[in-house]
Amino acid sequence: GAVVSQHPSWVICKSGTSVKIECRSLDFQATTMFWYRQFPKQSLMLMATSNEGSKATYEQGVEKDKFLINHASLTLSTLTVTSAHPEDSSFYICSAREGLAGTDTQYFGPGTRLTVL
Amino acid sequence: AQSVAQPEDQVNVAEGNPLTVKCTYSVSGNPYLFWYVQYPNRGLQFLLKYITGDNLVKGSYGFEAEFNKSQTSFHLKKPSALVSDSALYFCAVRDNAGGFKTIFGAGTRLFVKA
Repeated sequence: GAVVSQHPSWVICKSGTSVKIECRSLDFQATTMFWYRQFPKQSLMLMATSNEGSKATYEQGVEKDKFLINHASLTLSTLTVTSAHPEDSSFYICSAREGLAGTDTQYFGPGTRLTVL
Repeated sequence: AQSVAQPEDQVNVAEGNPLTVKCTYSVSGNPYLFWYVQYPNRGLQFLLKYITGDNLVKGSYGFEAEFNKSQTSFHLKKPSALVSDSALYFCAVRDNAGGFKTIFGAGTRLFVKA
């Protein structure tokens, strides 16, 4: 099946610094990539949807200046958490969509655990 | 609006016994339904999906799910549980009239005891 990778798998940073997380589709071209946030023992919360070459669409309540998304190519999307604070600590998961049909499956990366001290 | 309900926070089953993880949904159009599994500190792995056709869908690792339109349910099942099936299971729905936005349930933790 389709494989999505994320890097890094975990990161610890100091408050006020910025952190970049990469999401790659390894064996397919992703028309759309999604970024989710997951709190402990909770479901996934969609943060934003990004299409290659265009601006990301953010969900209500997600600060687009804080969570910068760049979808540079059909196989790479990055999420940058700017000026991170302890409340940004979470598990971030990216997902990629393989085709253009509504029936397409989303494939998920392994996630990135961010801890802000 | 779309919604997904997983009524059980946790399901406990003995190894070798059949398991069922429940899911009900609400969409305005026809649903596309998915099951994913998540192991600790990992992303979600796709198990199976229902788009159209046969109501019984077979997926990975021996799992299957039954689509019931009248009850708006899509329960996940496996005839014989394994200890290694212990994980967090998410049901998800997409409204075929609402673009590609997928809504996930809260998740059900499955414990399989040896």
